[in-house]
Amino acid sequence: GAVVSQHPSRVICKSGTSVKIECRSLDFQATTMFWYRQFPKKSLMLMATSNEGSKATYEQGVEKDKFLINHASLTLSTLTVTSAHPEDSSFYICSARQGAVYGYTFGSGTRLTVV
Amino acid sequence: KNEVEQSPQNLTAQEGEFITINCSYSVGISALHWLQQHPGGGIVSLFMLSSGKKKHGRLIATINIQEKHSSLHITASHPRDSAVYICAVTAGAQKLVFGQGTRLTINP
Repeated sequence: GAVVSQHPSRVICKSGTSVKIECRSLDFQATTMFWYRQFPKKSLMLMATSNEGSKATYEQGVEKDKFLINHASLTLSTLTVTSAHPEDSSFYICSARQGAVYGYTFGSGTRLTVV
Repeated sequence: KNEVEQSPQNLTAQEGEFITINCSYSVGISALHWLQQHPGGGIVSLFMLSSGKKKHGRLIATINIQEKHSSLHITASHPRDSAVYICAVTAGAQKLVFGQGTRLTINP
């Protein structure tokens, strides 16, 4: 079945630094990937839709200059949290879909802690 | 009011019990999804439905398009079924709209 690999699974960084999270579709081409954020015991919140070869579409309230998304190839999308602050600490997870008739495949998630 | 509502929010049952989780939605959809999130955070897609019923092992998902309602059933529940179950709908483009999740605990 379809697999999306997400790295790193956990990261601790200092305030003011940047962190990059990668999502790779291993056995299919993902023209679109989705990035979500999840607070403890809350549901997933869509941050942005990442389209291969074009700019990401951000949801209302998500700072595009803070959460940089790059989708340079059909199998790789990255989320960079720039100038990280403790309030950026959260669980970030990506997903992709092979096509409209398929379900969504999720990465394993990244737990970011900013100290 | 959320576009996707799940009930119950929390459910605790004994091993072997039949489990039902409900999902109602208020928007037009192209598909409904049931997801499972384990304590480590990983999410697995269980079902994608646009009509009728699907079965996979001990899991059954049904959807009634007219009533805008779906149910997820687990037969012969087991402690390893303990997880958060999330109902989500594809309501346009490819974006998912999520319910708030149901935290299921199965005690041995």
